[in-house]
This record gives sequence, structure tokens and C-alpha cells, in this order.
Amino acid sequence: DAGVIQSPRHEVTEMGQEVTLRCKPISGHDYLFWYRQTMMRGLELLIYFNNNVPIDDSGMPEDRFSAKMPNASFSTLKIQPSEPRDSAVYFCASILAGGPDEQFFGPGTRLTVL
Amino acid sequence: AQSVTQLGSHVSVSEGALVLLRCNYSSSVPPYLFWYVQYPNQGLQLLLKYTSAATLVKGINGFEAEFKKSETSFHLTKPSAHMSDAAEYFCAVSEAGTASKLTFGTGTRLQVTL
Repeated sequence: DAGVIQSPRHEVTEMGQEVTLRCKPISGHDYLFWYRQTMMRGLELLIYFNNNVPIDDSGMPEDRFSAKMPNASFSTLKIQPSEPRDSAVYFCASILAGGPDEQFFGPGTRLTVL
Repeated sequence: AQSVTQLGSHVSVSEGALVLLRCNYSSSVPPYLFWYVQYPNQGLQLLLKYTSAATLVKGINGFEAEFKKSETSFHLTKPSAHMSDAAEYFCAVSEAGTASKLTFGTGTRLQVTL
């Protein structure tokens, strides 16, 4: 299996622009998670989905952030408009319910907002 | 609510020395506990997990951890450090029976010196 795939790996944008991060979970996994990692706040869970349905979005920082999962093999995290404080590494992870209790992480997208 | 506390944001050991990374957890329900490792510019990889079976858990790369309920601890150890162990290590907790929502500690950066 190819593992969790994220794109792009690096994104540099200017303040005010829209940013879309993409994630393809491991085939057959039914939970998908979006995390943000910064030096100041560490790893934060932003939102997670079960069977494409958002279950908990309490970690989404504000209305500028939105996430969708239109099907079992694709999810997006969108920031509009972006701000410099959104600069971070964004990780996607997936897990199979009833499986080995391990979240599999993608390589991350490093976002820099100038 | 669940939380983990990792004591020491940076730990430095000599090659061949014992590695001890500390993790204490707080949970109102029986926990599942995890240690993840993050190498530079990569996602998180599972080292080992405790899921209410044996209290001494062995993981990859020679690491192990012991669940001590009386001390609410899940410290990570390795008898002999190798240069390739230099990375950031994260302890995480979830409710027993599900890894669907992990709460991560702030991480410990392990440095291995000659």
C-alpha cells in the first residue's frame, strides 16, 4: 500500500490567498484526521471524519478553515483567507476502525504564509 | 478529558547509553497509550502501543515502554542509544477501545552524541 498521501508537500503563499491541502487516506480506512503542528502549540487535532462524515471539528481554529471529505479516498483542508499565523505543517492520518489501533500519518504539507 | 505530559523537551544521550523518555498521562477512563517517532521532515511513525494487554510493551528499533497505572506513567526506554535514534518522540493517549481521537504530548527531541 502507498500509505497516506498528501499534496502538496510544500506550499508558499501570500497572506489573503486561498490554500487547499489534499489528502488521500489508505484504501479501506474509515477514519481520517487532520492535524496541525507548530513549534508553539505542538500537534493539534483540527477535525476528523468517519465514513466521510465530520465527527468532531472542535479543533478547527476559526471560520477561515474548512474541511471536506467528498468520498472515501479524498479529503481537503482549505484556508481562506490565509494568514501568516497559519504557517505550520499540516498532517493527515487515517485508521481502520477495529483494526490495529494505529493512526497512519502522511508526510505532511509545510505551509508558509508570507 | 485526557492529557499527556512529556517531561523534558530535549534529551541528550551518548551513543550506547540508556534512553529514557518520560510520559505521564491523565485519563478518566482506561487509556490506550502510544509512542510515535518523527524524523526530520517526515510524518509520525508508531513505535509501540499499550492497549490493555501486557503492561510491558516492546516496539520497533529496540524500544519498549511499561504501563504503570499506579504512577500514571508510560515511559519509553531503550538500553543502548544509536545515532539513528535522534528524532522527536511523542507520547499520545486515547480512550480504551478506540484510537479514533489521540491527544499528543508536546514531544521530546532526542539528541544522540558520539
